[in-house]
Amino acid sequence: EVQLVESGGGLVQPGGSLRLSCAASGFTFSGYSMNWVRQAPGKGLEWLSYISTSSRNMYYADSVKGRFTVSRDNARNSLYLQISSLRAEDTAVYYCARTCTKAVCIDFWGQGTPVTVSS
Amino acid sequence: QSALTQPASVSGSPGQSITISCTGTSSDVGGYNYVSWYQQHPGKAPKVIIYDVSKRPSGISNRFSGSKSGNTASLTISGLQAGDEADYYCYSYTTRSTYVFGSGTRVTV
Repeated sequence: EVQLVESGGGLVQPGGSLRLSCAASGFTFSGYSMNWVRQAPGKGLEWLSYISTSSRNMYYADSVKGRFTVSRDNARNSLYLQISSLRAEDTAVYYCARTCTKAVCIDFWGQGTPVTVSS
Repeated sequence: QSALTQPASVSGSPGQSITISCTGTSSDVGGYNYVSWYQQHPGKAPKVIIYDVSKRPSGISNRFSGSKSGNTASLTISGLQAGDEADYYCYSYTTRSTYVFGSGTRVTV
């Protein structure tokens, strides 16, 4: 069974940092590119970042470029998102999401980890 | 990198058909056949229902269909059912090798 389990979210002060993790199981993690997507309370989905299978290619949304860094450890079947210089508008549920095989889409999502930025 | 434009809400009666539009630019929707659609029920993770403009994943009802014309993609739900009541998002690849979601549409049955 495919599973993506995010962790690391929580309450953080403005300007602070967090490292989100996503533990993958049930599939060959190293064979899939991965994404981070977030959803602010009552709002829509926002794509944040993409990382290729070997970490050779990484892309970011303009809204987080320079503040967020995506990485992965294929030996540990894990995906990470380092988030810094946090602002109130970064408050959201952060999802780890797997890219479809041989198609441009997302075929599996984690349950999400909530991040709240507040003093 | 603005969100693709979708109507905020669309409603229909059971059995009817509805269409949700997703308007972008030649740098995203219009430039590639890489538009997908996602259904999200409250409190749940999204689920892909259409990919590569018009393809359906295994297990997705043929009541869902997708198309594209120019910079606008569309999702049609035919034979509307109560279980189709959800939020729907389009998603597209862009020329900058990034991705962008639509603003989302609430479907009411």
